[in-house]
Amino acid sequence: GAVVSQHPSWVICKSGTSVKIECRSLDFQATTMFWYRQFPKQSLMLMATSNEGSKATYEQGVEKDKFLINHASLTLSTLTVTSAHPEDSSFYICSARPNSPLHFGNGTRLTVT
Amino acid sequence: QKEVEQNSGPLSVPEGAIASLNCTYSDRVSQSFFWYRQYSGKSPELIMSIYSNGDKEDGRFTAQLNKASQYVSLLIRDSQPSDSATYLCAVNNNILTGGGNKLTFGTGTQLKVEL
Repeated sequence: GAVVSQHPSWVICKSGTSVKIECRSLDFQATTMFWYRQFPKQSLMLMATSNEGSKATYEQGVEKDKFLINHASLTLSTLTVTSAHPEDSSFYICSARPNSPLHFGNGTRLTVT
Repeated sequence: QKEVEQNSGPLSVPEGAIASLNCTYSDRVSQSFFWYRQYSGKSPELIMSIYSNGDKEDGRFTAQLNKASQYVSLLIRDSQPSDSATYLCAVNNNILTGGGNKLTFGTGTQLKVEL
């Protein structure tokens, strides 16, 4: 089956620093990847759609200058949380689809202290 | 009204029983429906997908879709303690409604299978 790899699995950073999360499709090419965020006991909320070779599409209320997305190749998308604050602490999950349905990476637990 | 609604639970069933999980959605023209299982601290794992009215069976799991009533359900037969998790219902918004080709998730139902 399709494999989506996400790195790191968890990260702790200080307030004001930036953190980069990588999402790779291991056995298929993904022109589109999706970034979700999940706060404790809440559902997954789509943050943005990452498009290979073009700008990401952000959902309403998501700051594009704070959550930088780069999709430079057909197998890699990165999400950079810039100037992280404690309220950015969450579970970030990427996903991609070789076809329908969606396959998820293992997620990144971000804790901002 | 939320786009995808689920009872948060917890839903407790004894081992060996049938667990029934329900989900309703608001966008009448939604086309694709999915059930994901999520263990605590882990990312979602696809359990079932269903696209047309009726039942779809896969092992101990059966997905049921009724587009007229806008609900989709998941039945788990012979429930096992390892089935204890949060089950997320997801709906693919139809591109014609401006939702694009993305998934909208419910908040999930926590299932506890007790020994």
